[in-house]
Amino acid sequence: GQQLNQSPQSMFIQEGEDVSMNCTSSSIFNTWLWYKQDPGEGPVLLIALYKAGELTSNGRLTAQFGITRKDSFLNISASIPSDVGIYFCAGQSYNTDKLIFGTGTRLQVFP
Amino acid sequence: DGGITQSPKYLFRKEGQNVTLSCEQNLNHDAMYWYRQDPGQGLRLIYYSQIVNDFQKGDIAEGYSVSREKKESFPLTVTSAQKNPTAFYLCASSKDRARDTQYFGPGTRLTVL
Repeated sequence: GQQLNQSPQSMFIQEGEDVSMNCTSSSIFNTWLWYKQDPGEGPVLLIALYKAGELTSNGRLTAQFGITRKDSFLNISASIPSDVGIYFCAGQSYNTDKLIFGTGTRLQVFP
Repeated sequence: DGGITQSPKYLFRKEGQNVTLSCEQNLNHDAMYWYRQDPGQGLRLIYYSQIVNDFQKGDIAEGYSVSREKKESFPLTVTSAQKNPTAFYLCASSKDRARDTQYFGPGTRLTVL
């Protein structure tokens, strides 16, 4: 099945730093979702985007739906140790009933 | 509390045996999904169901079967035909139709010995 290109694959940062990750697709999407997954747990929804150009925040997290509808980014400001985990993007296009997932960005935060 | 439950959390099975993973939701969601996750990879769709008594194959349905007899329940059977069944299995649901935001359960880790 099709997968999104998500980058970077992994990040090792110091506590307090800002983080940025993004996803790109060859298809146009009408929905972009960002999830966080802790080890051994199910993904938890962070932010949902439904409109091109939309910029949405959830605490220290900010995500944007790219104007071309083929990309999205997630920023985390002032990272803390509990931000550690795997972040997944997911997108859905108009002509399908299925979500397509990125391969994930593994985030490690050092004190 | 409303949510999605999966049981058991860990499951061990001998090669050649079928095993059924449970998924229940009390969110009154119409659509339910099963995904498989392997280490270092994204989620791959196994089966999904938009309404009771109806379901569709996802990208990797071979060796799996599902049923949707009740709105709140969507069990997944991993059959002996599945060549590499050891994985982390995730169930999800969405509110009205397949295009709505999906919410995930805690997952079941299946290990075949």
